[in-house]
This record gives sequence, C-alpha cells and structure tokens, in this order.
Amino acid sequence: QLQESGPGLVKPSETLSLTCTVSGGSISSSSYYWGWIRQPPGKGLEWIGSVSSGGRTYYNPSLKSRVTMSVDTSKNQFSLRLSSVTAADTAVFYCARWYGGTYSWFDPWGQGTLVTVSS
Amino acid sequence: QSVLTQPPSASATPGQRVTISCSGSSSNIGSNSVCWYQQLPGTAPKLLIYRNNQRPSGVPDRFSGSKSGTSASLAISGLRSEDEADYYCAAWDDSLSGHVVFGGGTKLTVL
Repeated sequence: QLQESGPGLVKPSETLSLTCTVSGGSISSSSYYWGWIRQPPGKGLEWIGSVSSGGRTYYNPSLKSRVTMSVDTSKNQFSLRLSSVTAADTAVFYCARWYGGTYSWFDPWGQGTLVTVSS
Repeated sequence: QSVLTQPPSASATPGQRVTISCSGSSSNIGSNSVCWYQQLPGTAPKLLIYRNNQRPSGVPDRFSGSKSGTSASLAISGLRSEDEADYYCAAWDDSLSGHVVFGGGTKLTVL
C-alpha cells in the first residue's frame, strides 16, 4: 500500500513537498521504481517523474527544471519537491509503484492528496 | 494537449460491447507497450491492462486490450453500470530522454 502525505495548501512561488509511505513491502526491492502522477481538478493524468530505490530519476521534460525526487530507504518513503509553484500546479497528487521502461505501468496507486496553490 | 489521443467520451447500454481507442506515434505506442487505467468517480486510478493485453489479478476478462502499430484499443464486453468511469491509456515515450505519456482520458457512460 502507498499513502501520500503533505500540506494541502501551498503559497504561490513556494515549494510543494510530498511524501509517499510504502507499506507491506520494502521500497528497496529490486526492479521497482516509484512514481508521482498528478491530476488537476476535472482534468486528466500527468506523469511528474519516477525514482528508483537507488536514486535514479526520470522526470517529465516539462517539469524537470522544478522537480526533485528522492528515496529514504530507512523510512520506506519516497518524496517529491516541486518548486516555484503557481495556481496551475493545483492538483490531486498520486504516488504509485512503477514498472518502468518499455513495459511501463503504475500499480498500485495511493489514494491521492489534493494540493491547492493559493495565497 | 495529450501526447496520446483518446476520444473524450463513449457510451453504450448494459450488455453491449464498447471500444476505446488510443492513438500515438512511433516513439511511444509504436515501440513500447500500452497500459490502461480505470478511474471510478472520486477514486484513484486502477491498473486495468498492462503490456498491451495483460490483465492484473482480479480484473474481469470482460476487459481486453490490443495494440496495432501506433494505436491501441480497450474493449469492454458485457457492459455493466459499474463500468461507468474514466479510462486512460499510457505508454513510455522514447523521445526527450524518455518519459511516460498519458491519453487525455475517455469518460464512459453506461446508458
């Protein structure tokens, strides 16, 4: 299971920080990557990026300059930081386990957490 | 504008068969596998199909996926009211150092 946590409200120009806690298995298991996906209200899904337990990252080219992902194996958690946020970053953020590469898919997903960017 | 193109909506009556298309390009669907997600209202997406046509444990065999060239399709047979949801296709895209791309989603209405 995966569970997102973090502030539900972030001010414009600040940095959004979220954590995903993995339970029922080790985040360090081989061949697993971990990902973040967001969904603006009433809109579709957008991949933000993915990170391996060893710290290798893949980022959405359109968000790459503002995104940082990391893994804390001691806490079985991985994290997302999105800097210089604007109202356009308001979305439900999901974390998920990612089977990467040519056979890419996400499973399972966390329940999602709504982050609103507003002053 | 999503990289993968899906019809915004689809509808059918209970018991019917419906298909949802997903169109891409040589850098995504044309060279990588496709997966499909179902998102029921107010819930997180759920993996429905992976590796073009594989169903995770627990997904009914009423759901099937296929891929040909740079397009893919999701078929739902014996449509049920609980299938009313948003459906998204996704794939890995080899361009720009590699990234995941999603379709814009198709809202399925069971009439």
